[in-house]
Amino acid sequence: NAGVTQTPKFQVLKTGQSMTLQCAQDMNHNSMYWYRQDPGMGLRLIYYSASEGTTDKGEVPNGYNVSRLNKREFSLRLESAAPSQTSVYFCASSGQVYYNEQFFGPGTRLTVL
Amino acid sequence: GQQLNQSPQSMFIQEGEDVSMNCTSSSIFNTWLWYKQDPGEGPVLLIALYKAGELTSNGRLTAQFGITRKDSFLNISASIPSDVGIYFCAGQKSGSEKLVFGKGTKLTVNP
Repeated sequence: NAGVTQTPKFQVLKTGQSMTLQCAQDMNHNSMYWYRQDPGMGLRLIYYSASEGTTDKGEVPNGYNVSRLNKREFSLRLESAAPSQTSVYFCASSGQVYYNEQFFGPGTRLTVL
Repeated sequence: GQQLNQSPQSMFIQEGEDVSMNCTSSSIFNTWLWYKQDPGEGPVLLIALYKAGELTSNGRLTAQFGITRKDSFLNISASIPSDVGIYFCAGQKSGSEKLVFGKGTKLTVNP
């Protein structure tokens, strides 16, 4: 099992450009999450999806959109990137039984110039 | 948004020493979790706690769910160089899918 995979690993954008961060899990988990991590700020939830077909806002959703494409995949889109979105982005998933035990991907390091 | 108060922010210790860190909140949580993040990697789950007062071990790591349900503690015994990293606590309230994370404790172990 690969667990949670994320692409790309690194990305540099110019202000105003758009991009989609991809996430996939092979653990048959129902719930998936997108976080951003900034120095000294810990992990902050952007959006989550409790099941296929549903998405909900987290703590810092502004400037982002998400799509739960199927049970395996959950993508995060930046429509018009801003320097404040420079961060490390982590995707996570959790199962039905121990739904609070989230498993994280390796992260995408995004720089917006 | 709500954050957990995690302390200390950073620790510099000698190999072989024991380490203690904690996480507190003004709110009650039903679940406490501890994660470790190595440089350039995603957080990895170390221990999950489900009951107030629960004490759980994972090798040299021991974590406790506070009796008041507003705090949790993580101890690492006989530290080794590979313990280096950032340790995060996370809490989950009843009925919520979401985790609330602390800001992390950065651990440095000198050989």
